[in-house]
Amino acid sequence: NAGVTQTPKFRILKIGQSMTLQCTQDMNHNYMYWYRQDPGMGLKLIYYSVGAGITDKGEVPNGYNVSRSTTEDFPLRLELAAPSQTSVYFCASSYAVENRADGYTFGSGTRLTVV
Amino acid sequence: AQKITQTQPGMFVQEKEAVTLDCTYDTSDQSYGLFWYKQPSSGEMIFLIYQGSYDEQNATEGRYSLNFQKARKSANLVISASQLGDSAMYFCAMSYTGGFKTIFGAGTRLFVKA
Repeated sequence: NAGVTQTPKFRILKIGQSMTLQCTQDMNHNYMYWYRQDPGMGLKLIYYSVGAGITDKGEVPNGYNVSRSTTEDFPLRLELAAPSQTSVYFCASSYAVENRADGYTFGSGTRLTVV
Repeated sequence: AQKITQTQPGMFVQEKEAVTLDCTYDTSDQSYGLFWYKQPSSGEMIFLIYQGSYDEQNATEGRYSLNFQKARKSANLVISASQLGDSAMYFCAMSYTGGFKTIFGAGTRLFVKA
């Protein structure tokens, strides 16, 4: 059982470039999330999705876009990368009950550097 | 607004001793969930323990227990019999009704000494 798979694990972008962070889960979770973790900080929510075709903004959505065409996939798109987007990005998923006692399942993270 | 506060940036504990990591939260919701996650140096996020706001008993999972004091809005993590492998970053988090969101504290780095 793979859980939540994120690719790539590392990436260096130049300012102004674009890229897509991939996230796939095989647990049939309805809810999926993208977080970013800046050095020495907690996680901040970028976007979330409650099911295929439904997405919404989190705390820090500027500079990002998402789509959810299937239950399994939740890619995060960075347009016009900026140094402020240098961070570690985590994708996570969970069951539909928001306060589900088993928490989130996280991917292993993508470390992105914008230079 | 919802808020999670972890006031201990770093903590040291001797191997085999117990340690308490502090977490306070702020919410006006009556229904919410409190979580603790562990992040080892390898970077992954590992779910440890959960406490629901209506749960009367403190949650326990093996060596982890959550000291839930609702009136004080605190949800401290207690790790008993610390092991070297417990050295990691620990995050307190809260999910709340009305949003499908979980907010995280800034974390506490725990160092276990041999």
